[in-house]
Amino acid sequence: AQRVTQPEKLLSVFKGAPVELKCNYSYSGSPELFWYVQYSRQRLQLLLRHISRESIKGFTADLNKGETSFHLKKPFAQEEDSAMYYCALRTGGFKTIFGAGTRLFVKA
Amino acid sequence: DAGVIQSPRHEVTEMGQEVTLRCKPISGHNSLFWYRQTMMRGLELLIYFNNNVPIDDSGMPEDRFSAKMPNASFSTLKIQPSEPRDSAVYFCASSLDENTEAFFGQGTRLTVV
Repeated sequence: AQRVTQPEKLLSVFKGAPVELKCNYSYSGSPELFWYVQYSRQRLQLLLRHISRESIKGFTADLNKGETSFHLKKPFAQEEDSAMYYCALRTGGFKTIFGAGTRLFVKA
Repeated sequence: DAGVIQSPRHEVTEMGQEVTLRCKPISGHNSLFWYRQTMMRGLELLIYFNNNVPIDDSGMPEDRFSAKMPNASFSTLKIQPSEPRDSAVYFCASSLDENTEAFFGQGTRLTVV
């Protein structure tokens, strides 16, 4: 079965602390993984994708096929990082499924 | 391009009424997705279309839900009859091809009372 699991509904950290949002997936094929972010009162938008191997707004994510994980990390959280984060899995073709999401709250 | 456009932004309706949500994808995009967002279940894929043809509707919760895409620039999601548990934010998204990400609309917040 194709599934994306984000075990934490809410993650609260202090400004300047490291942050890691967990994502695990289940898919028998070759996965394509994404992180989307939804800031308050804004539409859901792409943050990064694993094939780009890029860092966006200080965030990185590495695909670990052995652990079937794609955790999102940032060494020093900022208040403006507070948002809802969704991990997404694209299976064959166009179908993209999302995890339940993790709300990140960065405290001053 | 204004991006994916959804209407209405907010909808409040009484239980039992028919509700129609509308979506205009980004021009030139070949795929269109309908998602439902709730606190409990996050973002769920309801149905998606490729070149106006429904490809996978396994996420549609029940027969009360139906979706159409009569042409490349318009899609509807209909709930008939609506129930309070349908209250959620419904998102439409489109993508150019299987190698690009999905672009989301601003969503329709549906409240069924």
